[in-house]
This record gives sequence, structure tokens and C-alpha cells, in this order.
Amino acid sequence: GESVGLHLPTLSVQEGDNSIINCAYSNSASDYFIWYKQESGKGPQFIIDIRSNMDKRQGQRVTVLLNKTVKHLSLQIAATQPGDSAVYFCAEVNTGNQFYFGTGTSLTVIP
Amino acid sequence: ETGVTQTPRHLVMGMTNKKSLKCEQHLGHNAMYWYKQSAKKPLELMFVYNFKEQTENNSVPSRFSPECPNSSHLFLHLHTLQPEDSALYLCASSQDDRGLYEQYFGPGTRLTVT
Repeated sequence: GESVGLHLPTLSVQEGDNSIINCAYSNSASDYFIWYKQESGKGPQFIIDIRSNMDKRQGQRVTVLLNKTVKHLSLQIAATQPGDSAVYFCAEVNTGNQFYFGTGTSLTVIP
Repeated sequence: ETGVTQTPRHLVMGMTNKKSLKCEQHLGHNAMYWYKQSAKKPLELMFVYNFKEQTENNSVPSRFSPECPNSSHLFLHLHTLQPEDSALYLCASSQDDRGLYEQYFGPGTRLTVT
């Protein structure tokens, strides 16, 4: 079956530093990946996505990198702010259009 | 706000109760989803509806019964639940169920079964 996991359950960073959150996936046939942010008391919120024909995609202060060779996905947040504190998790969509979600990494930004 | 609302936000029910969760989306989407989110576990997809038709039932126990009267509304009827069913129940919607469109999530209903 599918497995989508995160290397670290928690991450603390100093305000202003860059954050990197990692995700591993197991199905090399997956063709679509998404990062979500979930703040306390709220549902997951779409951050950025990337298709398997790309290696990198940039948004506002966020960059997603996809390494298909090692089946690894990362989310980089530039100049991390207190409002970035949340749980971040990745989702993998396979060719059958099924979503598989990771367990999440809790990011804490230290002022 | 994401355009997806859920009520109630919190629910405590006994194992013999019957209750319903409601979800409404104001985005004009055609697909709606129910997910279960338990502590330290990945989101578990429960049901998918596309154009009011159920397209996926992810081996969910019959004590959970979904209803989709139209593309904007989704219900989850609960009956004879177990304590292990306590979790955050999330509703989401997307353009359709082909998986290539982002899903917009509601804030969830925090369910506690006593």
C-alpha cells in the first residue's frame, strides 16, 4: 500500500530563519503532491502543489522541491514568521486519483 | 474562510445517541468528502461524493451513514458510535473527484463519544 511519512514530528525555528519540512513517499507512480498547513482549531489549508514532471515550484515565501529519485518531497518556508506555526503535512495523489496523507510535522516559530 | 462550513464545531454524544454532522460549501464545487482525523494519524478518507453520487466508501463501518442531497450539502449521520470514533471529522470539497484539483477543507467537527 501507499505510505507517506514525515521525517520529524516536530520542528522549532527562530523567527526570521528558513524552515524545511520533509516528506517521504513510496509510490514512484504518484503524479501529484500537495502541502497543507493546519492551524489549531482549523481544517487543513492548501499551501502549494507540484506535479511529478517538475522538480521545483515556488510560491509566496514557500518552495516545494520534489526528488523523484529518492521519492522525497520538501517544503521550504523563507523568513519564518510566528503565523507559520502550525502542523504541515504532505499528500500524495496516485494515478488512481487517490489521496494519501502524511501524519504531519508540528512547526513552532520562536519569537 | 475557505468557503466550507461545518456544524456543529463540537459534539459530545453517548454510544446510544443518534446525531448528524452537516457540511456546506459555497464554492460551486461538485465533489465533497468526509475525512476522519485522529491524533498522530494521517487523514483517513471516509466517503467521496461527485455530483451527488457516492463514488467511494473507504470501508467505513455502517454506524457512519453519509447523505448528499445536492452538490452543496453533505451530512454524516452517526448512530451507535464507539469511543474510538472520537476524532475530528473534516469535510472538504473540490471541483470534481478526479484528484487533480485542490481540496478546500472546513474547520471540522470535534466529536467525543462517551
